[in-house]
Amino acid sequence: DAGITQSPRYKITETGRQVTLMCHQTWSHSYMFWYRQDLGHGLRLIYYSAAADITDKGEVPDGYVVSRSKTENFPLTLESATRSQTSVYFCASRGGETQYFGPGTRLLVL
Amino acid sequence: AQSVTQLDSQVPVFEEAPVELRCNYSSSVSVYLFWYVQYPNQGLQLLLKYLSGSTLVESINGFEAEFNKSQTSFHLRKPSVHISDTAEYFCAVSHISSGSARQLTFGSGTQLTVLP
Repeated sequence: DAGITQSPRYKITETGRQVTLMCHQTWSHSYMFWYRQDLGHGLRLIYYSAAADITDKGEVPDGYVVSRSKTENFPLTLESATRSQTSVYFCASRGGETQYFGPGTRLLVL
Repeated sequence: AQSVTQLDSQVPVFEEAPVELRCNYSSSVSVYLFWYVQYPNQGLQLLLKYLSGSTLVESINGFEAEFNKSQTSFHLRKPSVHISDTAEYFCAVSHISSGSARQLTFGSGTQLTVLP
């Protein structure tokens, strides 16, 4: 499928568990981004990547780890999930000046 | 640093009435400006953007926004709304600088609800 996809779409986990959210894009865009969306905060940038093996922190990186071994994939890992990480997570890639968003992953940490 | 303010968290409006969603930003450098729309349980879709040129930009579904540099605003307007316009709308900015990620800074969003 063309575009940007995320998996899983929904995830329930428990505090302390490791969770990985997947993001895949088919455009070969260099830049990719992870955001979290919380009520009243809009979207906040967690991490971004300029290319394979190049990543950098955004506004709210604590508790998250990213990697980018291939241009098309940009997984986000919560190393030890906490309740405050309950959120909706969006992946995006940038083509020209426009960011294109995936459908999101709704994560609940119990 | 840059910030985006959407003063109205919720805007109810009757069908076929006009609407304006307000967006103000602060930045020490020039910016690109965007409006995204999010329908329930979906990702964000680009509605329109201002990069350069004419300060009035339009979308294919009747929305328009005007970049006002002196007032640092980028308000979104539609002369006649439809039920299907019910969604959350986000204003966002990014810095104009070559070689950067051009990270987006988002406002907190405005929920537009169109009433029959």
